[in-house]
Amino acid sequence: SQQGEEDPQALSIQEGENATMNCSYKTSINNLQWYRQNSGRGLVHLILIRSNEREKHSGRLRVTLDTSKKSSSLLITASRAADTASYFCATAGGAAGNKLTFGGGTRVLVKP
Amino acid sequence: DSGVTQTPKHLITATGQRVTLRCSPRSGDLSVYWYQQSLDQGLQFLIQYYNGEERAKGNILERFSAQQFPDLHSELNLSSLELGDSALYFCASSRLSNEKLFFGSGTQLSVL
Repeated sequence: SQQGEEDPQALSIQEGENATMNCSYKTSINNLQWYRQNSGRGLVHLILIRSNEREKHSGRLRVTLDTSKKSSSLLITASRAADTASYFCATAGGAAGNKLTFGGGTRVLVKP
Repeated sequence: DSGVTQTPKHLITATGQRVTLRCSPRSGDLSVYWYQQSLDQGLQFLIQYYNGEERAKGNILERFSAQQFPDLHSELNLSSLELGDSALYFCASSRLSNEKLFFGSGTQLSVL
């Protein structure tokens, strides 16, 4: 079973626009992570936010975490064609135990 | 290059057969994870090892087994293969358990 669920499942935007995707999870967590996957390739870690943090930035990425709503959002600013990929949230710890489980992902298409 | 090496990259076999997938983690990483990715099931956590010991278990079938050796490389054994086992199998490693996983490029398994 998947702990996190991303929304939307797919997103299409123009280059230069911002892309926002959300992740909801079911049980308490220790941390939440976002990963990117280019078609058929291995996942790449983007950012990790701990349960006691509310917001984190890394370059053009901004992640928020609301533990009261059990949700997180990933914002990619000024998107580029190279940002075209699937984005996954993953949760670990808390009631989910030692398993790092991934959501179903959001497919992002950035049109040039 | 993530530093995680998976072999083979592609594997084509028949139903009922047994295969072994191999993973070499990044230098210094003690945790190794196995995931299965398919279109209908998404990215499913199979099993995690930490320094040779099983750390967490996901929805791994009884026909599947894994181990981590003293040199920290890991193998995933899949037996009595069925058509539904066709998927992309990823290995990942990390320094800290369940934080910032580095993924290999995967083994594409096709069961015919």
